[in-house]
Amino acid sequence: DVKVTQSSRYLVKRTGEKVFLECVQDMDHENMFWYRQDPGLGLRLIYFSYDVKMKEKGDIPEGYSVSREKKERFSLILESASTNQTSMYLCASSSGPPQDTQYFGPGTRLTVL
Amino acid sequence: TQLLEQSPQFLSIQEGENLTVYCNSSSVFSSLQWYRQEPGEGPVLLVTVVTGGEVKKLKRLTFQFGDARKDSSLHITAAQPGDTGLYLCAGAEGYQKVTFGTGTKLQVIP
Repeated sequence: DVKVTQSSRYLVKRTGEKVFLECVQDMDHENMFWYRQDPGLGLRLIYFSYDVKMKEKGDIPEGYSVSREKKERFSLILESASTNQTSMYLCASSSGPPQDTQYFGPGTRLTVL
Repeated sequence: TQLLEQSPQFLSIQEGENLTVYCNSSSVFSSLQWYRQEPGEGPVLLVTVVTGGEVKKLKRLTFQFGDARKDSSLHITAAQPGDTGLYLCAGAEGYQKVTFGTGTKLQVIP
């Protein structure tokens, strides 16, 4: 079975802190994605990556950056956390294009105070 | 970016009732997926539909893709507490990206 793990289930940070969210997948998938999930808004794509060291902006990249140094690991970085970045963050991976099955991690609930 | 509106946003029903969830857009999809997300977990794919008018069944769940490939519905027959969760549709724009819908939160009361 595909497994996508995220480094933390819950995280509390202060405004202005630098925040790292880590995601690891164990199925050698080419594609990895970061979404944020807010009630009534569904999932919104922040960044995605089709290959190591490759990244593309999604729909809401402002305030975020990503890093993919190894195929299995995709990191989301909040350079200076703000209260409006309080949200659930979901990582996903897929072997093919985005319309193939995406396998999601359990999510990280981030609260910025 | 296409907008995918789901209705209703919330649904609370008794065990054994039937329900339908809708996913609508003004854009045409190349394919559409339905995911279910249980509390504390990430979404899990239920089905992918690719042809206009296509109907797929997964036990008590019936998925239909609109003829014009702009909308989709999910019908659950005789809902059970295990169906409780957040249902998300996701429409694909060619091979570039997938846009998720706004979500329908279903609660089935025993």
